[in-house]
Amino acid sequence: SQQGEEDPQALSIQEGENATMNCSYKTSINNLQWYRQNSGRGLVHLILIRSNEREKHSGRLRVTLDTSKKSSSLLITASRAADTASYFCAKVIQGAQKLVFGQGTRLTINP
Amino acid sequence: NAGVTQTPKFQVLKTGQSMTLQCAQDMNHEYMSWYRQDPGMGLRLIHYSVGAGITDQGEVPNGYNVSRSTTEDFPLRLLSAAPSQTSVYFCASSYLSGTRNNEQFFGPGTRLTVL
Repeated sequence: SQQGEEDPQALSIQEGENATMNCSYKTSINNLQWYRQNSGRGLVHLILIRSNEREKHSGRLRVTLDTSKKSSSLLITASRAADTASYFCAKVIQGAQKLVFGQGTRLTINP
Repeated sequence: NAGVTQTPKFQVLKTGQSMTLQCAQDMNHEYMSWYRQDPGMGLRLIHYSVGAGITDQGEVPNGYNVSRSTTEDFPLRLLSAAPSQTSVYFCASSYLSGTRNNEQFFGPGTRLTVL
């Protein structure tokens, strides 16, 4: 993809474990956003991190951004079955206003 | 607030037919966009708009037209449907902070099948 990759493509863990998903990009960004999509549904915004920020938290979610490596990660702590979903990162490229999505990570939490 | 609404929820077309997917938002958002999502894939940007009267192409614009005559509405037109356009279509909207784009609000999607 011209806008980078997400990995892993799929992740399966046990309930209670932590889940980490990564997102890389190729051009400078204004901000980077993470979204969740439950099967067959629309996307729901989780966290937005700006290019001058390094880390943000929201409940059990922690997002980091390393602009020198052009990468971001989403950590979900103490996972629950309800966290089973696809997770996408979206980049707002510097100088543009459009959002470009990655291919996502499909997360399965096993009870 | 209804948020972002899309109609129809499901549509079946024959190759060569045309149709319009409707998208409306009641949050006074400047930015609106259309994405398509193919099975097991991420979202690909078709067209977007930063305000009434302003539209631009995304990653996969061919075969689609848009217009933005009001802040609230952003319809997507398929000119001559092809089986390759079978997909789920999502509309999204957001506030712009100067040149920065913010949290996107997504509609529920339109599932389109072209035979």
